[in-house]
Amino acid sequence: DAGVTQSPTHLIKTRGQHVTLRCSPISGHKSVSWYQQVLGQGPQFIFQYYEKEERGRGNFPDRFSARQFPNYSSELNVNALLLGDSALYLCASSPGGTSGRHEQYFGPGTRLTVT
Amino acid sequence: AQSVTQLGSHVSVSEGALVLLRCNYSSSVPPYLFWYVQYPNQGLQLLLKYTSAATLVKGINGFEAEFKKSETSFHLTKPSAHMSDAAEYFCAVSRGSQGNLIFGKGTKLSVKP
Repeated sequence: DAGVTQSPTHLIKTRGQHVTLRCSPISGHKSVSWYQQVLGQGPQFIFQYYEKEERGRGNFPDRFSARQFPNYSSELNVNALLLGDSALYLCASSPGGTSGRHEQYFGPGTRLTVT
Repeated sequence: AQSVTQLGSHVSVSEGALVLLRCNYSSSVPPYLFWYVQYPNQGLQLLLKYTSAATLVKGINGFEAEFKKSETSFHLTKPSAHMSDAAEYFCAVSRGSQGNLIFGKGTKLSVKP
């Protein structure tokens, strides 16, 4: 079975621009989470979605937004990019709901560079 | 609030030696604990998880971790290091079964031949 997939793999943007990152979860998984990993640090939680509803939000500005589609894929949007937004953006999926399974599976990430 | 502290940003061992990566957590509720490994330019791979069942958890690639509530620790061990174990390791805690993960800053493991 395919794992979590993310697109694009790499992205270079200019300050002030907007970016959209995409994620497809593992088949059967209904929950998607987004994390930001700055070089040399552990991932930081941005958003969690389950069944198209936001279930959690980390300490990120309103420039960050996300949504989940009926097929459980997800998009992360970042407006008015800053140099500090340069990072590896990781998507993770998990079964969610009452499955009893708690682990999150990560995709390979999207490397965003803001110049 | 929950938090994770990983002691040692960089650990170096010889091939065949014991690997010990330390993780201490802080949680006001029974935690769910995880270890992930990250190879260069890749995403995170789940090594093992603790979800209030057995306190000694066995994972992939010969790794295991022991949950010690009295010490609020969840250290990762492997009896004999292999060159392929060189990577960055992250300890994470979540609040409840569906909560988001809170990660430590990571420990980079180097394995010398």
